[in-house]
Amino acid sequence: RKEVEQDPGPFNVPEGATVAFNCTYSNSASQSFFWYRQDCRKEPKLLMSVYSSGNEDGRFTAQLNRASQYISLLIRDSKLSDSATYLCVVNRGSARQLTFGSGTQLTVLP
Amino acid sequence: DAMVIQNPRYQVTQFGKPVTLSCSQTLNHNVMYWYQQKSSQAPKLLFHYYDKDFNNEADTPDNFQSRRPNTSFCFLDIRSPGLGDAAMYLCATSRGGQGPQETQYFGPGTRLLVL
Repeated sequence: RKEVEQDPGPFNVPEGATVAFNCTYSNSASQSFFWYRQDCRKEPKLLMSVYSSGNEDGRFTAQLNRASQYISLLIRDSKLSDSATYLCVVNRGSARQLTFGSGTQLTVLP
Repeated sequence: DAMVIQNPRYQVTQFGKPVTLSCSQTLNHNVMYWYQQKSSQAPKLLFHYYDKDFNNEADTPDNFQSRRPNTSFCFLDIRSPGLGDAAMYLCATSRGGQGPQETQYFGPGTRLLVL
């Protein structure tokens, strides 16, 4: 089983749609959870950290379910500029050892 | 602006010819990381430095080495590149705290092509 698993997509959605991505992780001792976004041929950029209580940043909402070892990202009112690959990231061992999922590709269509 | 800088952005090397990729940072972060990302795959951590303390991942091939001469600079040396080493190499930094929200900041990457 992979340490971090994501549905690779692609997800093709119209502008304005709501889209949700899921991610599962295998290490029950993990403490750090993030969503990064990566544009084509660019570096990953932090989108948001994921807190136990769930957190929201504008149109983006992240949820963590420790019991099920499951993380989600909800994007509301999708914009064309949201088109990217979304990477689920979880620590293993120390906070400095991050494992990245392979990413979920999102294309927002006009 | 404070940032993570990688040079060169594109590097072409020959099979077996040593190559060095460079990373510098103006964030004054304690930790510097090197990741390898192959096409359509996740970034994979190769190693990291906490200050001068080197931490190698167990599955990183011996062909990959790193140097950190000072806080600002870190180098990735590939001693004998093979065709399978063609990838994007990403440098990242972080402050070095122990909290769960230790954020890593990535440079733009160096795309390596092996001929």
